[in-house]
Amino acid sequence: DAGVIQSPRHEVTEMGQEVTLRCKPISGHNSLFWYRQTMMRGLELLIYFNNNVPIDDSGMPEDRFSAKMPNASFSTLKIQPSEPRDSAVYFCASSIAGAGTGELFFGEGSRLTVL
Amino acid sequence: TQLLEQSPQFLSIQEGENLTVYCNSSSVFSSLQWYRQEPGEGPVLLVTVVTGGEVKKLKRLTFQFGDARKDSSLHITAAQPGDTGLYLCALDSNYQLIWGAGTKLIIKP
Repeated sequence: DAGVIQSPRHEVTEMGQEVTLRCKPISGHNSLFWYRQTMMRGLELLIYFNNNVPIDDSGMPEDRFSAKMPNASFSTLKIQPSEPRDSAVYFCASSIAGAGTGELFFGEGSRLTVL
Repeated sequence: TQLLEQSPQFLSIQEGENLTVYCNSSSVFSSLQWYRQEPGEGPVLLVTVVTGGEVKKLKRLTFQFGDARKDSSLHITAAQPGDTGLYLCALDSNYQLIWGAGTKLIIKP
């Protein structure tokens, strides 16, 4: 079975440009998470969706960040305008949430470099 | 706010040696997960521990959950270069995981 699929794997852009990261969760999973990982701050939860509905976006840094999940098989994370401090690896993860979070299945990540 | 502290932050040892890394919380937690992340990839679940005092083994890896359910350890016997990676612990807090900063482990041939 295919795992979580993210694209692009690498993105290099200039400050001020719009960046869109994409994620296809594992079929049948009802929870989707967007994380950002840096050396300084580790893994940070940006936003969590359950059944395509955003439940907690308190981790989204500021208004420049937005995320959507139009259906159960697709989600996007958009940064507009991008800044150098947004450079990081962005991970999408999905799970079957029951009584707890359950096991998270991560994609391979999208490495973003903003010049 | 529950915080997870992992130690050491970094460990570099020779192949064949044993090692232990730790994960400690300021609060009791219901369950804890251990993940390993290899360079260029996302974290992958190794094990979930639920019961205080629980010990789980995964080949050369031994995971222990403290009796008070506030701490956990991962012991690797006869470390191999393939064990190299970032080891992350995470506690289950309702709908999300609370992550430690990780232990970066390098096993030198």
